[in-house]
Amino acid sequence: ETGVTQSPTHLIKTRGQQVTLRCSSQSGHNTVSWYQQALGQGPQFIFQYYREEENGRGNFPPRFSGLQFPNYSSELNVNALELDDSALYLCASSQGQGGSYNSPLHFGNGTRLTVT
Amino acid sequence: DQQVKQNSPSLSVQEGRISILNCDYTNSMFDYFLWYKKYPAEGPTFLISISSIKDKNEDGRFTVFLNKSAKHLSLHIVPSQPGDSAVYFCAALNSGGSNYKLTFGKGTLLTVNP
Repeated sequence: ETGVTQSPTHLIKTRGQQVTLRCSSQSGHNTVSWYQQALGQGPQFIFQYYREEENGRGNFPPRFSGLQFPNYSSELNVNALELDDSALYLCASSQGQGGSYNSPLHFGNGTRLTVT
Repeated sequence: DQQVKQNSPSLSVQEGRISILNCDYTNSMFDYFLWYKKYPAEGPTFLISISSIKDKNEDGRFTVFLNKSAKHLSLHIVPSQPGDSAVYFCAALNSGGSNYKLTFGKGTLLTVNP
């Protein structure tokens, strides 16, 4: 059973640039969620995708966008990067639209994004 | 506005003793609670969960207690082992909500000393 994998592991970008983070779901999982974990904070929900459609979004501006592909892999795109976007970005997969209620989220190891 | 609060940033216990990690929540719509463990450079790993219809759930050395009237839950680890040293996150879910998001606390760093 392959777990959740994220790439890249680390990334440094300049303010104003755009970034794409990638995630491969655990096999058999069709729901993907993205979380942002700032230093000293718990993970914060960005959005969730189920069967290639966004089915929930947290308090993040539209410059945070995502995609889910037919193989259930996913991308997180962030435009016009700001210094406060520096954080660990976590991808999590689960089975079914119930997300974490029907089956606990399985997290990847994250992408550490630094914006300078 | 922190809806899930873990007021102890850190906890240190001796190997073999009990570790008790606490969590408080403010949103009465939360009806499902989870604990995740996180080692450095790894993603959070699911540990144990509890539904609001229960007041206790046990899995091996880990037990979660829920006090709905106090909006408080706790994770007990008995006996504690050095490998339990990690950051523990409490998370809550409103299963009737439309987006199934988890709301996390800030975490508690547990250190188990040999």
